[in-house]
Amino acid sequence: QVHLVQSGPEVKKPGASVKVSCQASGYIFTDYAISWVRQAPGQGLEWLGWFSAYSGHTNFVRKLLGRVTLTADTSTSTAYMELTSLRFDDTAVYYCARIREPDTEGRCNAITCYPGDHWGQGTLVTVSS
Amino acid sequence: DIQMTQSPSTLSVSVGDRVTISCRASESIDGWLAWFQQKPGKAPKLLIYEASSLASGVPSRFSGSGSGTEFTLTISSLQPDDFATYYCQQYNGYSLPFGGGTKVEIK
Repeated sequence: QVHLVQSGPEVKKPGASVKVSCQASGYIFTDYAISWVRQAPGQGLEWLGWFSAYSGHTNFVRKLLGRVTLTADTSTSTAYMELTSLRFDDTAVYYCARIREPDTEGRCNAITCYPGDHWGQGTLVTVSS
Repeated sequence: DIQMTQSPSTLSVSVGDRVTISCRASESIDGWLAWFQQKPGKAPKLLIYEASSLASGVPSRFSGSGSGTEFTLTISSLQPDDFATYYCQQYNGYSLPFGGGTKVEIK
């Protein structure tokens, strides 16, 4: 059975960094990518980025350029999202989800491109002074 | 970047009603669209992928349609367990934005 288990809640001060983990089990970790999504209190879902343990390819939203790093440790089937220079508006629940990414030219077909069918339980990151 | 727009933002409905939620992409995404259901304090749940394919274990009262830029999620007869917020997400390419969400609430 597929499971994604995330690390526990974090409280950080503005300007600090946070690293959230997402440990996968029940499938071949390198056959899929991990997508990261956040949800601020009372707000909708915001896609942040994804990382492919197979190809090492990553993509993320332009607004986080320079602040977000997505990585994975294939030996432990764990994906990581690190966010630096934290601001108050980074306060949110952060989710990981298993996806299939597009091919190396960004195209989708029957083998590539599948949305999040399994999700982690979420990690609350609170940025507070 | 592709933008996703959902409407309406809120729907007040009764059990047994037919519910329709719309999602529009700013440019064509072919059929690479998913629908998710989210309940308070829970992770999203995949309902529909490739615009019209039902995810595993999802009741048949849920259906999706559309292609290109216009998509629809339909719940044929709303059940008490269906009161939730619904999101569309496009996944055609490297960027995977969500729509703003539609909250289905009790009338």
